[in-house]
Amino acid sequence: AQSVTQLGSHVSVSEGALVLLRCNYSSSVPPYLFWYVQYPNQGLQLLLKYTTGATLVKGINGFEAEFKKSETSFHLTKPSAHMSDAAEYFCAVIYQAGTALIFGKGTTLSVSS
Amino acid sequence: GAVVSQHPSWVICKSGTSVKIECRSLDFQATTMFWYRQFPKQSLMLMATSNEGSKATYEQGVEKDKFLINHASLTLSTLTVTSAHPEDSSFYICSAKAPLGRDSNQPQHFGDGTRLSIL
Repeated sequence: AQSVTQLGSHVSVSEGALVLLRCNYSSSVPPYLFWYVQYPNQGLQLLLKYTTGATLVKGINGFEAEFKKSETSFHLTKPSAHMSDAAEYFCAVIYQAGTALIFGKGTTLSVSS
Repeated sequence: GAVVSQHPSWVICKSGTSVKIECRSLDFQATTMFWYRQFPKQSLMLMATSNEGSKATYEQGVEKDKFLINHASLTLSTLTVTSAHPEDSSFYICSAKAPLGRDSNQPQHFGDGTRLSIL
């Protein structure tokens, strides 16, 4: 079955350090790819997305992600972590336009001072 | 931007009670809405796709008689958890498919979720 995998359920970094959250999809046809952030007891906020075009996409709050077809990956990065980045991050895909987002299991990002 | 309102945000009720959750698109017509369930520290699992004026399409393993979905208008979908039990306690999130040409940055607009606790 088509799915999306997030490696690492929990990532801990120090403030100012690089953030790398991993996401891989399983499909021979690249899906539409998204990263969402969720703060406790809140809904989802879209960070960035890839549909077509430039493979390096920039999102809000200094995050960016690169689509690599050869690796079926869409990893999320941020050069310098901030305490406010601590949250749950979900990679999501849409395999067919108009259908529902399918979410990965999520990665909890902790940022220490 | 497009807004989806979900109500209530938090509900606590006794076992055996039926609970209705509303999902409204405030400034656009949503022909398709989605319902997700999220257990603590886990991902969002799609429960069903709700299309205005027709029966909802449920994902495998979701009891349609347990989770009743009604999408009677272009701006409102409801999820009713019937005869709720403690194992139904969860965070339920709705979303509305973005209309064509509107906020094309996002495929779906999410509500803020409903925390359901069954005692």
